[in-house]
Amino acid sequence: DTAVSQTPKYLVTQMGNDKSIKCEQNLGHDTMYWYKQDSKKFLKIMFSYNNKELIINETVPNRFSPKSPDKAHLNLHINSLELGDSAVYFCASTAARGGSEQFFGPGTRLTVL
Amino acid sequence: KQEVTQIPAALSVPEGENLVLNCSFTDSAIYNLQWFRQDPGKGLTSLLLIQSSQREQTSGRLNASLDKSSGRSTLYIAASQPGDSATYLCAAYGNKLVFGAGTILRVKS
Repeated sequence: DTAVSQTPKYLVTQMGNDKSIKCEQNLGHDTMYWYKQDSKKFLKIMFSYNNKELIINETVPNRFSPKSPDKAHLNLHINSLELGDSAVYFCASTAARGGSEQFFGPGTRLTVL
Repeated sequence: KQEVTQIPAALSVPEGENLVLNCSFTDSAIYNLQWFRQDPGKGLTSLLLIQSSQREQTSGRLNASLDKSSGRSTLYIAASQPGDSATYLCAAYGNKLVFGAGTILRVKS
């Protein structure tokens, strides 16, 4: 029974396209996140949502737009994809901001050609 | 700005050895510190979470300690096994989770 799930697992697309990655958690958590892991394997936070409200935006280009239709879902839409967007994107969730363990999804490997 | 450093960057040990992975952070104003494991091409698996008020946490052969005042955490793995081979990441939570670059562990059989 998957706790945090992401679709798709792999995404290969051309420069300039628009794509979306979906994330769902069935843990009943209030807070969800998007992280980016670059080619050097360094993980960095992109966005955080708490109860559908944006609370962290780490100076990510506005081509990236997170959308949270409800607190169990946090989708990531990327416009005008660039080569530098190629990375693995992880979704995560936690029960409460600050003190709780974060649970990560399996990741989506995005390759922009 | 929080910075998290992990030493060593890579470690190769024979099976059965006890080992210590080190993590340091620059800002001691954290709520917790979390250790993760990442297998190649996979997501992150949470290993241990230490709250700022705690000194250590244990799970099976894993023991993690936290010294907020010195900005350090260690992950101790007892009796290492080939299945422990993975990248180990520590992350400090202040107002967001900040990750170190990881330690790549290889346990040889």
